[in-house]
Formats: sequence, C-alpha cells, structure tokens
Amino acid sequence: EAAVTQSPRNKVAVTGGKVTLSCNQTNNHNNMYWYRQDTGHGLRLIHYSYGAGSTEKGDIPDGYKASRPSQENFSLILELATPSQTSVYFCASGDPTGGAPEQYFGPGTRLTVL
Amino acid sequence: LAKTTQPPSMEAYEGQEVNVSCSHTNIATSEYIYWYRQVPHQGPQFIIQGYKDYVVNEVASLFISADRKLSTLSLPWVSLRDAAVYYCIVTDRVDRGSALGRLHFGAGTQLIVIP
Repeated sequence: EAAVTQSPRNKVAVTGGKVTLSCNQTNNHNNMYWYRQDTGHGLRLIHYSYGAGSTEKGDIPDGYKASRPSQENFSLILELATPSQTSVYFCASGDPTGGAPEQYFGPGTRLTVL
Repeated sequence: LAKTTQPPSMEAYEGQEVNVSCSHTNIATSEYIYWYRQVPHQGPQFIIQGYKDYVVNEVASLFISADRKLSTLSLPWVSLRDAAVYYCIVTDRVDRGSALGRLHFGAGTQLIVIP
C-alpha cells in the first residue's frame, strides 16, 4: 500500500511568518505534488516535482516555494505567510512514467494563518 | 486538458447501486478518465481509470460511452462509508512535458448516503 505522510497535521502561523510543510513518501515514486483545498472546492496544484532536485510551478504557485532534496521528501515553503493561505494542504506522489498516473495522497495539513 | 461536468450532489439509500455521471465533451484521443473519491479529513483516493468501453475492479465499475464524451462510475451496494466527494478527472497519459501526471480537480459530486 502506498504511503504518503505529512507533517505537521495542523499548524497555526502568524502573518509574515515562515511556514514549512513537509511530505514524505515511501513508494519510490518519481513525481510528487502539493495541492491546496479550500472549503467547498476541489484541489488546486501549487508545485510539483519530477525527482530529487527538481521543482515545477503548478497552477497557483505565487507565494509558495518548493524543495525536493531527495526522492522521498518534498517540502512546501511559505516565506511570508498571509491569511489568504489558510487552507488544507495535500501532498501526493505518483509514477506516471510507469503507465499508472494515479496519485497517492497524504492525510493533509490544516494551516491557519492569523 | 478536457473539462469535466458532474452533478454537484446525489443521494442514495444504503444498499442501492449508485451511478455518478461525468461529461467530458472535449476529451482528446490521448486522454484517459480517472475517478477519485475524498472522504472528510482525508486526501483523495484513486478508484478506477479507463480509456473506453467498460472497466471493473473490486471497488467500482466504469462505463465509457462509445464517443468517450460521457462516463459513468457505478458503485454497487453503497454503504455509509461510501459517502464522499467523487471526482471525475480527464488527463493525458502521454508524456507531454509538464502535463504528464497532472490532475485537475473540479468541484466533484457529493454523494450522500441515507441509512
């Protein structure tokens, strides 16, 4: 069974502070993704990665940075958090080059920026 | 990527079969159809995928119309655990650079299961 974990599960931050959300996968998947989900909406892609050392912009990258230091780890960084970034963040991994582009999602991180 | 249209919500009684429809009128020949579901406080979970005709697995079945513009996810004997938001996603399986593996989630269909 695919395993994607996220930490922290809940985070309260202050406006202007730095926030780092971490994601770890044990699936040995090449691709990893960060999404955010706001109440009543589907997921929106922020950043993704094709492998260690690579990061790519998704559909809503403004205000976010990403880091992929290894195959297993993918971080989302909010350098200057704002209240509009209050949301639930999901990390996912997948291996589309293997012909199976389904993604495996973590449990989510609920971020509140005050 | 083709846009999808789903009903915003559906209701069903426990034990009923549920069919969730999805329209993708502009689907390209290289695009596949994926279904995910999301229960509260969890990430989305892959259910099934297909290109044409009929696909079945241990969880659900997927019927795709001959022109591929409509797909229907069928859940047999729904239980309260099936109450979730169901997402229909159309995406390219061909390596097209940054498009590979990206999923575009819409609002989905909220399935309400009545005991």
